Amino acid sequence: GIQVEQSPPDLILQEGANSTLRCNFSDSVNNLQWFHQNPWGQLINLFYIPSGTKQNGRLSATTVATERYSLLYISSSQTTDSGVYFCAVGHTDKLIFGTGTRLQVFP
Amino acid sequence: DVKVTQSSRYLVKRTGEKVFLECVQDMDHENMFWYRQDPGLGLRLIYFSYDVKMKEKGDIPEGYSVSREKKERFSLILESASTNQTSMYLCASSSGRGNEQFFGPGTRLTVL
Repeated sequence: GIQVEQSPPDLILQEGANSTLRCNFSDSVNNLQWFHQNPWGQLINLFYIPSGTKQNGRLSATTVATERYSLLYISSSQTTDSGVYFCAVGHTDKLIFGTGTRLQVFP
Repeated sequence: DVKVTQSSRYLVKRTGEKVFLECVQDMDHENMFWYRQDPGLGLRLIYFSYDVKMKEKGDIPEGYSVSREKKERFSLILESASTNQTSMYLCASSSGRGNEQFFGPGTRLTVL
């Protein structure tokens, strides 16, 4: 099956810093999503981005499908950005999740 | 906005009990999914459904069944709960194959 790898596994930042999270996948996909899991466990949709580049405020994402990776950029990080970020890729109907990047932002 | 709701945020049951987890979506989505999330194992797909009365096994269906009698509602059933089913259960829906999935708030189930 498809393998999804996220890096780094942990990231500690000071408020205001920028960061890049990476997602590598092992096969062609028809869906790629980035999520933020908040402390209560809810998965918040950040981007649906099977290819191309999208921006939403301080967050942006780029997927290069031909090279099988996606990047999530967080600029000017805030303490509320803390949590776990998941990349999930879809092949047909299933979403296969990476193991996540745990981000901690300190004031 | 898409809204996916789950019947309980927290649930405590005893070994051997029959447990129902309910999920409702309000966007007329065709597809619905049940996942479980465990530390060190990530999120894994239990069952999914393309349409009313349709169901497909995911990666870890053992010990679970599902029911989809109405398009908006997808139920996960633990016929005889066991301690290894203690987990966070997440429901999701999407408008079609390969389309964006939206998740509910999750149910933390503890089986004693």
